[in-house]
Amino acid sequence: DIVMTQSPDSLAVSLGERATINCKSSQSILYTSNNKNYLAWYQQKPGQPPKLLIYWASTRESEVPDRFSGSGSGTDFTLTISNLQAEDVAVYHCQQYYSSPLSFGQGTKVEIK
Amino acid sequence: EVQLMQSGAEVKKTGESLKISCKGSGYDFTEYLIAWVRQMPGKGLEWMGIIYPSDSDTRYSPSFQGQVTISVDKSISTAYLQWSSLKASDTAMYYCAIGLRSFPYFAFWGLGSLVSVFS
Repeated sequence: DIVMTQSPDSLAVSLGERATINCKSSQSILYTSNNKNYLAWYQQKPGQPPKLLIYWASTRESEVPDRFSGSGSGTDFTLTISNLQAEDVAVYHCQQYYSSPLSFGQGTKVEIK
Repeated sequence: EVQLMQSGAEVKKTGESLKISCKGSGYDFTEYLIAWVRQMPGKGLEWMGIIYPSDSDTRYSPSFQGQVTISVDKSISTAYLQWSSLKASDTAMYYCAIGLRSFPYFAFWGLGSLVSVFS
């Protein structure tokens, strides 16, 4: 089974600054036949279901602001929120869909400093 | 518009049975798999299992195998998650979500069904 580990568990960032969240998989989630990383990122605000932000590690879902970006390959991935806004306060989750059982990271809470 | 309508909050006692539902609309119900995801209070997301409405093929996370049953009635575009004997540790929010068979990330989620189990 693939274990997803996020770091840090929480971070506080000033408005307008950058937030960086890391996600590490216990084995590679890069499918070499199509050169795609099977990783998604979700944003979850209090009292709401998760919302898909990014898939294939770096493809932004439609209508997601371009201050959200994903990068990385193999086992190490990053979600970057540039120019942090107040509405970005949330918990962020990574998920691998490379193999069953699917798995999520433990979540990273982003707050305003 | 894609919608996943989940059944309402439930308050149960330990040992009782329960079946919650997720009704899909606004898309071809048999084209997308349905996943169930647990979120215990203050905790992260846990994938429980998936079902393919086209053929009812079902896969469970080892953590939930034998603990729950996932089923579907494609005639009414509804998926189900059921327990035969609830435990206090089943207290959680349960989400359904849809994805593609080959690429199961989840672009659409239900609002969740809150299950509270008391002894």
